[in-house]
Amino acid sequence: GESVGLHLPTLSVQEGDNSIINCAYSNSASDYFIWYKQESGKGPQFIIDIRSNMDKRQGQRVTVLLNKTVKHLSLQIAATQPGDSAVYFCAELISGTYKYIFGTGTRLKVLA
Amino acid sequence: DVKVTQSSRYLVKRTGEKVFLECVQDMDHENMFWYRQDPGLGLRLIYFSYDVKMKEKGDIPEGYSVSREKKERFSLILESASTNQTSMYLCASSPTPADTQYFGPGTRLTVL
Repeated sequence: GESVGLHLPTLSVQEGDNSIINCAYSNSASDYFIWYKQESGKGPQFIIDIRSNMDKRQGQRVTVLLNKTVKHLSLQIAATQPGDSAVYFCAELISGTYKYIFGTGTRLKVLA
Repeated sequence: DVKVTQSSRYLVKRTGEKVFLECVQDMDHENMFWYRQDPGLGLRLIYFSYDVKMKEKGDIPEGYSVSREKKERFSLILESASTNQTSMYLCASSPTPADTQYFGPGTRLTVL
């Protein structure tokens, strides 16, 4: 089976509750951030992005918050559903480069 | 929708074999990337291509080479596979270098 995510922190939430997944990014020169969702056996899937001139962005059931002061990014999922179970990781793009730094991820488990 | 496909989902090879991993994207993207994904680590960039026949080394190019003969196709080559190259390999493409990267489903390579 898939070995990605063997040593990941896990967040368990009840179906219908809100989920908050956090990411501490490393480079103060990063100016673009993405959240990806990766289901078992699949490639990462784009969820939502945010640029450094914003501190909040909303999508369908998802919100990303950016706190540049403490270099912190969070993903909020409203009314979590079983289909949200996956590994979530953040990516930061260093300004002026093509190089992304990817987080190691958090496993989200949705309990019925 | 962007579609990135990879030639194999699972591959088993022997030490010393030459291995080809193929990636195709259908969105006319200029930029294509090869990453490997290992437990406990974020995605690590192996090689990047910003145009046909153009390539740049990423963070871990040793033991790998790439080929980009056509815009839509980016191949990763393991000249002589070793057991430490057992990993999940992910291909991605983006319209510009500093844009959202869209990933393929991944190839899980096992080298015996």
